[in-house]
Amino acid sequence: QSALTQPRSVSGSPGQSVTISCTGTNSDVGNYNYVSWYQQHPGKAPKLMIFDVTKRPSGVPDRFSGSKSGNTASLTISGLQADDEADYYCCSYAGSRVFGGGTKLTVL
Amino acid sequence: QVHLVQSGSELKKPGASVKLSCKASGYTFTTYAMNWVRQAPGHGLEFMGWINTGTGNPTYAQGFTGRFVFSLDTSVSTAYLQINSLKAGDTAVYYCASIGATFDHWGQGSLVTVSS
Repeated sequence: QSALTQPRSVSGSPGQSVTISCTGTNSDVGNYNYVSWYQQHPGKAPKLMIFDVTKRPSGVPDRFSGSKSGNTASLTISGLQADDEADYYCCSYAGSRVFGGGTKLTVL
Repeated sequence: QVHLVQSGSELKKPGASVKLSCKASGYTFTTYAMNWVRQAPGHGLEFMGWINTGTGNPTYAQGFTGRFVFSLDTSVSTAYLQINSLKAGDTAVYYCASIGATFDHWGQGSLVTVSS
């Protein structure tokens, strides 16, 4: 399985919204509602932010939302805060798991 | 409270082997599969595979067959990752992660450095 495609970086100012895309194929993202998103701060383990495309685990703010259209999943972060600055990874888990290459979010 | 505690950093020479451990607590170990994820310095997450903690059956992702071995000791709720014939390119942080639907818990990572 090839890695899912994410933009290398995105940025936004505090209070703004940003969207991170994650493009796969009809063998993974497009064919199953099994996409998750992880947030990783430097030197830390990844933290689950979204699972099953749109669902938020307990404790994750509703500023984080997920969606999917065709072979592309998206993570939207609204009301950006300084602590949102991190790397974000999508993950498709249909059968096996495959991660995206990661997106560095910079809060300006 | 769920915890996955991984073994410490390792410095190994090329050609050597290393065995990393991941001790779980706070849940029934055999309920969820244990996954292994590699992160090379400055790079993204790579899924290595997983082991069925109920049966001990491992599944390896592409690129992680042959030199990589997943194992368990369910009596002490511990998963292991052994890497044989280490290469410089194996230098990375290795994470264990117990994942199932809303259950998603990761260890703190074990740094393996391969250098002569």
